[in-house]
Amino acid sequence: EMQLLESGGGLVQPGGSLRVSCAASGFKFTDYAMSWVRQAPGKGLEWVSGLSGGGGATNYADSVKGRFTISKDTSNDTLYLEMKSLRDEDTAIYFCARASCSSVFCYRFALWGRGTLVTVSS
Amino acid sequence: DIQMTQSPSSLSASVGQRVTIACRASQGIASFLNWYQQKPGEAPKLLIFEAIDLQTGVPTRFSGRGSGTDFTLTISSLQPEDSATYYCQQSNKTPPTFGQGTKLEI
Repeated sequence: EMQLLESGGGLVQPGGSLRVSCAASGFKFTDYAMSWVRQAPGKGLEWVSGLSGGGGATNYADSVKGRFTISKDTSNDTLYLEMKSLRDEDTAIYFCARASCSSVFCYRFALWGRGTLVTVSS
Repeated sequence: DIQMTQSPSSLSASVGQRVTIACRASQGIASFLNWYQQKPGEAPKLLIFEAIDLQTGVPTRFSGRGSGTDFTLTISSLQPEDSATYYCQQSNKTPPTFGQGTKLEI
């Protein structure tokens, strides 16, 4: 069964750092681009960052560029999002999502994890 | 960035009714339009991709239309389990952007 499982969320102070993870299973990890999409409490969906299937290309929303870094480890089929200089407005559920192809510009998301909650608060 | 605007923001309907949700893009996106369903506490679920194509496993009462800037999602005969929030999303340009959502109550 194809599955994505996020972990690593929690409470962090403004200005702090956190890394969230997404463990993939049931499909060939390198065949698909992956993205992080977030949802602030009671709000809509916001794409955050994407990574190509091969891992060589990345892109970011302007709101997180320079603060967040997306990466993957193909030895354990895990996607990461390293978040630094966190702000109150970064508080959200962070979902990882699998795209339908390997290009970093592929944005049809047919497989999602259940998400991990990141709360930025003092 | 391409802005996606959905209407209405919320609606209430009865079992068996037909409902349509509209989505408008701020610029032309060809047919690069996806629809998702999200229930409380769950991840979004892809329903329709490339404006008109039904994702595998999605009931045929869901259908999509449109191209360019104007799109619709129609549920032909509402079921109780269709109560959810629906989002459109453009996948034509970076960054991919979502509509604000339409909350459907049954």
